[in-house]
Amino acid sequence: SQTIHQWPATLVQPVGSPLSLECTVEGTSNPNLYWYRQAAGRGLQLLFYSVGIGQISSEVPQNLSASRPQDRQFILSSKKLLLSDSGFYLCAWSVPPLTTGFGNTEAFFGQGTRLTVV
Amino acid sequence: QKEVEQDPGPLSVPEGAIVSLNCTYSNSAFQYFMWYRQYSRKGPELLMYTYSSGNKEDGRFTAQVDKSSKYISLFIRDSQPSDSATYLCAMSDASGSARQLTFGSGTQLTVLP
Repeated sequence: SQTIHQWPATLVQPVGSPLSLECTVEGTSNPNLYWYRQAAGRGLQLLFYSVGIGQISSEVPQNLSASRPQDRQFILSSKKLLLSDSGFYLCAWSVPPLTTGFGNTEAFFGQGTRLTVV
Repeated sequence: QKEVEQDPGPLSVPEGAIVSLNCTYSNSAFQYFMWYRQYSRKGPELLMYTYSSGNKEDGRFTAQVDKSSKYISLFIRDSQPSDSATYLCAMSDASGSARQLTFGSGTQLTVLP
């Protein structure tokens, strides 16, 4: 079965410090990978998605970047954190449409990282 | 106007009540509809997945899609305190775009024992 791991669960970082959040998926190959941010009481905002190694699409211009160095590894980074980067960050994966023969399928989420920038 | 609108609640019901959670959407291209349950400080977990219009039942949960009205619902029968969570609707089209899902903002549900 497929599993997704995301760490750390919580993180408190000072303004101006770097950030690295990691996500790995097991039990599947060539998944689509996603980073979302969820603000309190709000929906999920898609930040980045990736359809393959080294292929990153950015949805929202911001202080963050993403990388996919391996097929099942997705990293969210920042060189200098801002207070506004605080939030709940979620990694997710889905089966690519070409594999299923249908349109987009459901996404499966990690447990999230609660980031507080102080 | 947001593509997906969802009443944020909070919604509080007594144990055993029937709960109705709803989303409306504006994009007629949406064909895949999902409901996620998210416990506090956890990632969302997929609860129901439906394609196009119609009903789908899974235990105490029923998902309903009315594409003509652009309206989807999740019904929870015999609600339990363990159902207390935020429920997110999500939907996507059949374009094959990897951009994936459009989410509602979530409805916070509390089931009182």
